[in-house]
Parts: sequence; structure tokens; C-alpha cells
Amino acid sequence: DQQVKQNSPSLSVQEGRISILNCDYTNSMFDYFLWYKKYPAEGPTFLISISSIKDKNEDGRFTVFLNKSAKHLSLHIVPSQPGDSAVYFCAAQLGTSGSRLTFGEGTQLTVNP
Amino acid sequence: GAGVSQSPSNKVTEKGKDVELRCDPISGHTALYWYRQSLGQGLEFLIYFQGNSAPDKSGLPSDRFSAERTGGSVSTLTIQRTQQEDSAVYLCASSVATGANQPQHFGDGTRLSIL
Repeated sequence: DQQVKQNSPSLSVQEGRISILNCDYTNSMFDYFLWYKKYPAEGPTFLISISSIKDKNEDGRFTVFLNKSAKHLSLHIVPSQPGDSAVYFCAAQLGTSGSRLTFGEGTQLTVNP
Repeated sequence: GAGVSQSPSNKVTEKGKDVELRCDPISGHTALYWYRQSLGQGLEFLIYFQGNSAPDKSGLPSDRFSAERTGGSVSTLTIQRTQQEDSAVYLCASSVATGANQPQHFGDGTRLSIL
């Protein structure tokens, strides 16, 4: 039962353009969503999060949007930079589950110079 | 160092052997998590520890898997009688506490290969 899904295994964009990474979930009880970024041979690094009571959170070049009715969230990176090339994981938390994270499969973002 | 430290970084062993993976969390972090990432998959929750509370073992895939956390700090994940399907990257994370809005900080993982 894949509760968090990232349907695009890869995404390629030009430097300076917007990158949009998408994530869908099935469990309407999730109350927190996070994005992590992962470089090869390194652990995931926390990027940005959003509470289920919000619909947008912004931090510098990164913005996360949450559409609860559609059970969909997205991460926007503007402007994209070559150093943003990495695998991006969407994750969700249930407040009652001790904060374990349920992850999507990840999307490989490549930003071309 | 200031981050989560895992050892070994790589482990190759024969099917049927036991392995131990170690995690040193960030100092002062009371919550510690183990996940694994199989090839082409997302991270899968295994177990978490919070302070002196009983661990949540609900993600462990079989009774061959066990974990301990001694003194509220270092944790060891043990896999007995390893199988080829145990091959994965095992990641440890820690956070200041459990609860929403407590980002988990990950180590670089142990890449386990079962021959």
C-alpha cells in the first residue's frame, strides 16, 4: 500500500527555469508533509515542510504547495540551479505515529547549465 | 562531528551471516529512527526510539531484524541470518524530539550487500 507516490521518476529543466516536483498521497490523516533532497552516497537532507492546515510555505527559492482536497503537494524551485540536481523525496507524517516518515519513491531532478 | 554518524559505510557479507549496523545520533537528540532504501525505492520505516519509551518496532520486516539503543544514544541494528532481499542502504536519523515539525537528520547510511 503506497500511501505517498511520486509518479515522475525523473525531471530535467534548464538552469534559471522553474522546477516543479509533484507528490500525491492517499491517507487524509497525514498532518505534516516534508521534502528531502538526496545526493548520491549521502543521507537525505531536510529541505522544507508544510503543515496540513496550510496551503503554502516558502523558504527562499523553495515553495511547497498543498492541495488537501486533491491530496496533492508540489515543490517549486525558482530559479533552478545546477547544484539543485539531486533526488527529491516527498514524505508525510501522522501526528499519532511517533513522527515516522512515509516516503515517496523519489524524483531525480537534473538542472542543465 | 555534528551530524548523524553511521558505520560501516559499506558492508558485504554472505547469505546466512549476521550483521550489525551502528548509528551515532546527534548529541541531545532524543528520537532515533532506522529506515532502509532498497534499489529504486523510497525509504521504508523500520523502527524508532524515543527517550526511555518502548521502541516502535512495527516496521521491522521479520523477526530476523532487531535494534537496540543503549544509554539513550548509540543504536545498533542487527540482522540475523541475512538474505539477499536484505540488500539495501540502511539509514539512521535523529531528531530533537518526536512530533510534527521536528525534522529528522539523516546519516549517510550503510550500504549492505548480501552475496
